[in-house]
Amino acid sequence: AQKVTQAQTEISVVEKEDVTLDCVYETRDTTYYLFWYKQPPSGELVFLIRRNSFDEQNEISGRYSWNFQKSTSSFNFTITASQVVDSAVYFCALSEAEGNSGYSTLTFGKGTMLLVSP
Amino acid sequence: EPEVTQTPSHQVTQMGQEVILRCVPISNHLYFYWYRQILGQKVEFLVSFYNNEISEKSEIFDDQFSVERPDGSNFTLKIRSTKLEDSAMYFCASSISGYEQYFGPGTRLTVT
Repeated sequence: AQKVTQAQTEISVVEKEDVTLDCVYETRDTTYYLFWYKQPPSGELVFLIRRNSFDEQNEISGRYSWNFQKSTSSFNFTITASQVVDSAVYFCALSEAEGNSGYSTLTFGKGTMLLVSP
Repeated sequence: EPEVTQTPSHQVTQMGQEVILRCVPISNHLYFYWYRQILGQKVEFLVSFYNNEISEKSEIFDDQFSVERPDGSNFTLKIRSTKLEDSAMYFCASSISGYEQYFGPGTRLTVT
């Protein structure tokens, strides 16, 4: 069974600080996908990134960067120079490949609430 | 940019009543999902739907739940007889490939 652990329940930072959100996953599959979603106070889930298990290259998108390390089963998310608008709950999620059918379901972590104060 | 839409945004219902939550997935997507999030908790998978049938469902998705794609655009979740513990945010998601899922804004269901 797959599992996603986000050990940090809540993180508080002051604007412009860098912050890293941790995500550790468990899966028996060799092919899987990892995701990060943002849930702002308004409640919707905003897709941030997808990474497949064969691509360990780190990714940077503006102030966001992701560090995927298969050896430690981690997919951490760093926000550089945080802003108040970054305040949200961030979810890490995992999906396993479902044979040839292509579909799979997402298993979410419990989320990390990030509070960025001015 | 195309997006998943859900209606209503908030539904209040009495225990024992039937509710139908509606979703319009992104038009060229083939895979459809329902998830729910009880307040303050993680998002949980309910059901996936592909090729006009349920492809997978979780333990939460019992006989009280059903899904339907009544026409080419809508995807609905029905709860036959709501319970207090069904109060949650329900998210619809769709995907073209089965992997990258795009979520709607959610419907907050309150059962009193």
